[in-house]
Amino acid sequence: GAGVSQSPRYKVAKRGQDVALRCDPISGHVSLFWYQQALGQGPEFLTYFQNEAQLDKSGLPSDRFFAERPEGSVSTLKIQRTQQEDSAVYLCASSSRQGADGNQPQHFGDGTRLSIL
Amino acid sequence: DAKTTQPPSMDCAEGRAANLPCNHSTISGNEYVYWYRQIHSQGPQYIIHGLKNNETNEMASLIITEDRKSSTLILPHATLRDTAVYYCIVRVVGRDDKIIFGKGTRLHILP
Repeated sequence: GAGVSQSPRYKVAKRGQDVALRCDPISGHVSLFWYQQALGQGPEFLTYFQNEAQLDKSGLPSDRFFAERPEGSVSTLKIQRTQQEDSAVYLCASSSRQGADGNQPQHFGDGTRLSIL
Repeated sequence: DAKTTQPPSMDCAEGRAANLPCNHSTISGNEYVYWYRQIHSQGPQYIIHGLKNNETNEMASLIITEDRKSSTLILPHATLRDTAVYYCIVRVVGRDDKIIFGKGTRLHILP
């Protein structure tokens, strides 16, 4: 399809394991965002890429969280030594280059639901 | 912190218009009003945005007060598939920036 694709859809891991979550943005979209959504809450920003450059990682909760987008397209969010509090839905969004009329909307994937046992 | 205030939940009868209010009394002149919704187990979906004029698209209408301190999202003929959490957001014009979500309004469409 033409939307943002995330995989896996569900991930179960034991505490202490490392996990990697993948995001395929809409083709040609320059900007890519990662958000974390706890149960019953709105999504919270984690990090932002413009092409391959990570311009904002202020939302990453700890140094166990790492994101990359080496070729400016697919992105991976990695969580090392997972903890139970990492259990959440991880959402990826992409948007095209800003136009003359202002902001472009972000288009979201359906997320990866991560459960840490 | 989110810069908008929304009621936590609302009900609307199927087939009727759903009017979702949002207060953004501290909005700046360079900030747009955006609406997203999130259906259960899905990612947020963009609905509509506006600066100061009323806007309409195939999904909804956005009515912004003249002082821009509040707005209303209107779903003209609500269906059961419109049951979702609706988020009202303000974003700076021309800046490719993160979205700060609040708690939104949980809209229940009643059959």
